[in-house]
Amino acid sequence: EAGVAQSPRYKIIEKRQSVAFWCNPISGHATLYWYQQILGQGPKLLIQFQNNGVVDDSQLPKDRFSAERLKGVDSTLKIQPAKLEDSAVYLCASSLSGTGGGFWGYTFGSGTRLTVV
Amino acid sequence: QKEVEQNSGPLSVPEGAIASLNCTYSDRGSQSFFWYRQYSGKSPELIMSIYSNGDKEDGRFTAQLNKASQYVSLLIRDSQPSDSATYLCAVRGGSARQLTFGSGTQLTVLP
Repeated sequence: EAGVAQSPRYKIIEKRQSVAFWCNPISGHATLYWYQQILGQGPKLLIQFQNNGVVDDSQLPKDRFSAERLKGVDSTLKIQPAKLEDSAVYLCASSLSGTGGGFWGYTFGSGTRLTVV
Repeated sequence: QKEVEQNSGPLSVPEGAIASLNCTYSDRGSQSFFWYRQYSGKSPELIMSIYSNGDKEDGRFTAQLNKASQYVSLLIRDSQPSDSATYLCAVRGGSARQLTFGSGTQLTVLP
């Protein structure tokens, strides 16, 4: 099966600019996650979607970050305006089921490495 | 208190030895536990999952879970230089069942 697709792989922007990342999950995976991984740290959840609804966005800095999954398939994460501390790898992951039953691990995409200068 | 804690390392072992990686978690309601391997510059890759107390073996890898002690470990037997990576412990719990990751343990296997 095709994996989780993400683009772009790399992005360099200046602070206060905006940037958007795209993710297409594995076909049939209802749950989609965006994680932020700062160098030397573990991934931190930003937002979780179940189909096209938000399940958890408690750790998303909503003053500058937004995400959508309009048709329950692919998703876009946006940062506007970017800050230096947003430099990180943004990982998209998907799983068969995120809520209710099921104990599946995630499959991660290759990530987008963002550098804010 | 961090939700998922790992020794950051680095941990170095000689080739052929057993590498032991440890993880503790704070949420007693956690139900499933995962180990991911992350090579430098790459995304995390799932290598083991465990749900019940005891041991689970898969090739050279053994995951161990002790829910009473809130402790998960990963043993890598016959370590190879290709096992050199950061190992992330992840715990699934909470109402939304998302994974919470530790900060990872960097493992180096010396030839």
